[in-house]
Parts: sequence; C-alpha cells; structure tokens
Amino acid sequence: NAGVTQTPKFQVLKTGQSMTLQCAQDMNHNSMYWYRQDPGMGLRLIYYSASEGTTDKGEVPNGYNVSRLNKREFSLRLESAAPSQTSVYFCASLPGGSTYNEQFFGPGTRLTVL
Amino acid sequence: DQQVKQNSPSLSVQEGRISILNCDYTNSMFDYFLWYKKYPAEGPTFLISISSIKDKNEDGRFTVFLNKSAKHLSLHIVPSQPGDSAVYFCAASGLGGSEKLVFGKGTKLTVNP
Repeated sequence: NAGVTQTPKFQVLKTGQSMTLQCAQDMNHNSMYWYRQDPGMGLRLIYYSASEGTTDKGEVPNGYNVSRLNKREFSLRLESAAPSQTSVYFCASLPGGSTYNEQFFGPGTRLTVL
Repeated sequence: DQQVKQNSPSLSVQEGRISILNCDYTNSMFDYFLWYKKYPAEGPTFLISISSIKDKNEDGRFTVFLNKSAKHLSLHIVPSQPGDSAVYFCAASGLGGSEKLVFGKGTKLTVNP
C-alpha cells in the first residue's frame, strides 16, 4: 500500500513550457485534490475532484488544468508555465464517508520555472 | 481574506516542556478542525482533529482545545520531543457541507534538546 504517490519529485521548466504532474492513490479514495505551497503561505487548493469524472476549481485555478483519469489518478497540467508557478505541489486524497475530512497527502513535487 | 489564521510563524521550546500552537478562524460555520504536521521535503500528515461540538480531543501527547465563542483552537504537545520539530498547519472544513480543507499558513515548531 503506497498511499498517495506523485511524479516527478523535482522539475525545472523554462517559461512557456508545458508539463503534467502525476498523482495516484491506491486506497480506493473517492476525492482527490491538488494544492500548492509557497514560502510563508499555507496550502492553497488549485483543483479538486469529488469523484471520478468530476472536477472543480479551488482557490487558485488560473494557469492550470486537471484530469481525473480514473478513480486512482488525478493529473495537474501547466500549459504554459510562468515563474509565478514556481512552488511545491501536493496531491491529496480523501476516503468516502470521512467524518473529519482528513486528507492523505503525497510527498510533493518541487517545481521551478525559470 | 484569510479564514484560518496562525499568527505565530515560529515557536521554540525546550525538550520536555509544553508546546502550544494557536489557530484562529473567522467563519463560525466550520464543522471540523484538523492539525497537520509537515517535515521538510515530505507531505503533510494528519495529526489530530476535533468536531465543532466538542471542546477537547486528546491523543497521547497531543491535545486540541476548541473555544467556539472565541473562534480559537490550540494544539498542546506535552512533553515536547526533538522529533516534534516540524511545521504545523491548522485546517478547517465542513463549511456548507463541503469536504474541502482551508489551511492556515503554518507554525514552525523547534524543540531544542
């Protein structure tokens, strides 16, 4: 049981390049989330998916797109990377029927946009 | 406007003493409050939670207190250990039935041996 996995761990992009961050969970969780964490900031929600086939915007969705490929996988795409998207990205998942909404997080992807 | 606030960016305590991390929130409609712990280069891990209908929840060395009238919660760690050194995030959920978490900015705890 690997929990929530994210690839890659590190990535350096040039401005304007595109890339997809991958996330997968093997816990059969219904909901999945993408956050970004910047220095001195908490985790801010980019997009989330309450179930397979559905996605919704979070607090900071501009410049990103997502795909809930199946119940296990939730990817985040940067179509044209900008320096402002330099951040650490975390994926999380939430089991159905959770009382307190405690999410399980992956190890993160550290992205630098030059 | 920040709905969940952690006003202390950092806290330093001696090993064996109590650590108290504070969190304030602005929306009285949150149903649940959670604390996450984060080590460098790792993802946050769930630590402890409390429902808005309770005022205290305890799990080993960790206790969370909720004061609804003051819209304030605190995490007590007793006794503090060097391995507790991490960033602690306060989060709230349940607004309007939503499962989304709203996070504070975090407090970096350093426990000195």
